[in-house]
Amino acid sequence: DAKTTQPNSMESNEEEPVHLPCNHSTISGTDYIHWYRQLPSQGPEYVIHGLTSNVNNRMASLAIAEDRKSSTLILHRATLRDAAVYYCILRRLSGSARQLTFGSGTQLTVLP
Amino acid sequence: GAGVSQSPRYKVAKRGQDVALRCDPISGHVSLFWYQQALGQGPEFLTYFQNEAQLDKSGLPSDRFFAERPEGSVSTLKIQRTQQEDSAVYLCASSLGELEYNEQFFGPGTRLTVL
Repeated sequence: DAKTTQPNSMESNEEEPVHLPCNHSTISGTDYIHWYRQLPSQGPEYVIHGLTSNVNNRMASLAIAEDRKSSTLILHRATLRDAAVYYCILRRLSGSARQLTFGSGTQLTVLP
Repeated sequence: GAGVSQSPRYKVAKRGQDVALRCDPISGHVSLFWYQQALGQGPEFLTYFQNEAQLDKSGLPSDRFFAERPEGSVSTLKIQRTQQEDSAVYLCASSLGELEYNEQFFGPGTRLTVL
């Protein structure tokens, strides 16, 4: 699978929007962009995924660049419960690998 | 509804002991994964089952690691002759189907400490 690059850490103030960037310059046309997050002492949880178009769900929005070489996870109003490690992961359609390949992710700190 | 459960949540083993970690996936989920997460790192893939078939075990670090899912539901990860480097959180995840964009649901993990 193609590699992703994320900042090691970011800070946000509570109730402000947060934009978490991810670079994936070697993405292929059949790679889905997935985001998972891991709260302290818990297993990862799915946040959102997309292929080409921007996506919204109750947790977040995913903005995908037109060339698909980067994407941004948007938390519209950060809360203290959003403090977690956020992972940007590419998953290839019809690839042989079914597993998620996690990088080191972005540690998000939310300040009260 | 019931999510993925894992037991025990914590396990302390003396070096050389065998351990067995259990995963109860969400009912009806076809795919089951095991991951290992060292302190401060992202999870790393160990093995994958589709129903009872182990389709990928390329991530198992040594032949001391063995996983099974005999009836296509509950899975057990067994580590023989544990070593200190086996200390980690072991995560289990399941997903409804086998497609690459299917969401994976993770359990809380088992924290293994080998003394």
